[in-house]
Amino acid sequence: QLQLQESGPGLVKPSETLSLTCTVSGGSISSSSYYWGWIRQPPGKGLEWIGSIYYSGSTYYNPSLKSRVTISVDTSKNQFSLKLSSVTAADTAVYYCASSTSSEYFQHWGQGTLVTVSS
Amino acid sequence: DIQMTQSPSSLSASVGDRVTITCRASQSISSYLNWYQQKPGKAPKLLIYAASSLQSGVPSRFSGSGSGTDFTLTISSLQPEDFATYYCQQSYSTITFGQGTRLEIK
Repeated sequence: QLQLQESGPGLVKPSETLSLTCTVSGGSISSSSYYWGWIRQPPGKGLEWIGSIYYSGSTYYNPSLKSRVTISVDTSKNQFSLKLSSVTAADTAVYYCASSTSSEYFQHWGQGTLVTVSS
Repeated sequence: DIQMTQSPSSLSASVGDRVTITCRASQSISSYLNWYQQKPGKAPKLLIYAASSLQSGVPSRFSGSGSGTDFTLTISSLQPEDFATYYCQQSYSTITFGQGTRLEIK
C-alpha cells in the first residue's frame, strides 16, 4: 500500500517560492504504474490540480499555474517536489501530494500540509 | 478548461436515504469522470473511477453512472460515515474538479 507524506515550510512570504516535498513509501517512485501529482485546496474551498510528473521526468501542469510551477522527481530518495514561485495570499492552501494512474484518477493521497502566505 | 458543475451544492438527508449527486461537464468527457469523498481535515478518498468502476475497498452502496456530459453518484442507503463533501473530477483533458457537494445530516 502506497503511503505519501508532504513536508516543507508552513509559512512563506509573499513574492517568495513555496517548496514542498512528497516522500513515497510502500512502493517505488520509479514504477511505470504511477504518476505523481500535486493538488491544493484553499481553506473552505474546492480542489485544484497543480500538476503531475512521471518517473521519467515528463511533467504536466495546470495552464493557470504553469508559469510559476516546477515539479521534479528524485528517484534516489523516492521523493517528488513542488516549487511555486512568486506566491501571493491566494496561494494559501492545504497542499496534497497524490499518486495517479495514467487515467489520472488519484488513488493514494498524503495527509496534506497547510501553507500560509503571509509576511 | 472543461468546467465541472455539481448539483446540488449542499444536501440534507437521513440515515437510510437514497441520495444522488449530479456532475455536469461543459463538454463531452466520455467516461473520464471520477468521484471522491472528503471528510473535514482529511484528504479526499477515491470512490469511483471511469464513471462507474468502484474503487477497491469502497462499499457497494456507492455507485456511479453516466457518460458524455452528465454523471451521477448514488449512495443507495446512507450510513452515518457517509456524511461528507463529494467532488467529481474529470481527466479527459487538463484535470478539473467540481465545486463539491456537502452532504449533511437532516
